[in-house]
Amino acid sequence: AQSVAQPEDQVNVAEGNPLTVKCTYSVSGNPYLFWYVQYPNRGLQFLLKYITGDNLVKGSYGFEAEFNKSQTSFHLKKPSALVSDSALYFCAVRDMSRGSTLGRLYFGRGTQLTVWP
Amino acid sequence: AAGVIQSPRHLIKEKRETATLKCYPIPRHDTVYWYQQGPGQDPQFLISFYEKMQSDKGSIPDRFSAQQFSDYHSELNMSSLELGDSALYFCASRGTSGRSYQETQYFGPGTRLLVL
Repeated sequence: AQSVAQPEDQVNVAEGNPLTVKCTYSVSGNPYLFWYVQYPNRGLQFLLKYITGDNLVKGSYGFEAEFNKSQTSFHLKKPSALVSDSALYFCAVRDMSRGSTLGRLYFGRGTQLTVWP
Repeated sequence: AAGVIQSPRHLIKEKRETATLKCYPIPRHDTVYWYQQGPGQDPQFLISFYEKMQSDKGSIPDRFSAQQFSDYHSELNMSSLELGDSALYFCASRGTSGRSYQETQYFGPGTRLLVL
């Protein structure tokens, strides 16, 4: 079975400082990993994904994520946080249990990021 | 760029009533997914459709049904509503065929359902 874990419910960081939102995964086979962001009363916005290739993936709004197979992690990072980055961040893994290309997403519990001015 | 459209955005119903949520995928996307996000929870997969056929089923109650139409829009029908059905319901779409193929599911803004 596929699953992801986000060990931190909340992350607080000062504006201008680097931020990291942690995610670990458990899958059978190669993982298809995603990060989404949710602003209050809004839908889930896609940030970036790892399918294959370079372990460092760059996405929207200056975010990047590092895939680490040995540590089964896919941490989201940004070199310099903005107050506007404050939101709820979800890590997700796609179901590949039946080799389906149509697989559902399994989400972590979410991490609330707060960036202080 | 066109995004996933969901209607209505907000819905208030009484217990035991019915509700119908609609989802219009991004043009040329052939696969639709429905997710339910309870208060303070992560989104949970309900059901998905590919080319108008159900492709996968998750934790969807028997009181709920869904379908995908010839224009690829989808409707989630919810009957005998319960207080616990109050949640944010997301639809996501994805292109999975030919030149439209991509790995990412794109989400709509959601329908917030409140059952009183």
